[in-house]
Amino acid sequence: EVQLVESGGGLVQPGGSLRLSCAASGFSLRYFEMNWVRQAPGKGLEWLSYIRSSGDTIYYADSVKGRFTISRDNAKNSVYLQMNSLRAEDTAVYYCARETGSKDYFDYWGQGTLVTVSS
Amino acid sequence: DIQMTQSPSSLSASIGDRVTITCRASQSINSYLNWYQHKPGKAPKVLIYAASSLQSGVPSRFSGGGSGTDFTLTISSLQAEDFATYYCQQTYYSPRIFGQGTKLEIK
Repeated sequence: EVQLVESGGGLVQPGGSLRLSCAASGFSLRYFEMNWVRQAPGKGLEWLSYIRSSGDTIYYADSVKGRFTISRDNAKNSVYLQMNSLRAEDTAVYYCARETGSKDYFDYWGQGTLVTVSS
Repeated sequence: DIQMTQSPSSLSASIGDRVTITCRASQSINSYLNWYQHKPGKAPKVLIYAASSLQSGVPSRFSGGGSGTDFTLTISSLQAEDFATYYCQQTYYSPRIFGQGTKLEIK
């Protein structure tokens, strides 16, 4: 069974850092592109970042560019999101999602991990 | 950057109704358009990919159409479990932008 499990969320002060992890099971991560998506309270889904299966192509949303870093360890079947210089507006549930298909859609999602940025 | 505009932003409907949600891209995205259903506390779920392909396991009352810049998601006969928020998403370009969502509520 394909599963994605996020971890690493929690309460952090403004300006602080967190590292989110997404552990994949039931498939080999090395063959898939991966993404991070978030949903702030009362808001819609916001795509944050993409990493190619090989790790050689990465994209970010403007809202997190320069502050967040996506990475992957295919040997550990995991994807990561390093979040620095956190702001109150980064408070959200963060999801990792697997991308698949010739037309690139997100077929599996984790259950999400909550990040709260507050003093 | 490309913009994705969904309408309506909210919709009240009854069990058995036929509903259509539209999504417009600010530039052509071929058929790189996906639809997701999201319920509170749950992971989003893909319903339609590549504009009109039904994801495995999704009921056939869901259908998608369109190409280029204008797309639709239709639910032919609403069921109780369909009340949720629906998002379109383009994957032709990066960033892989979502629409702002359509909240479907019970009338």
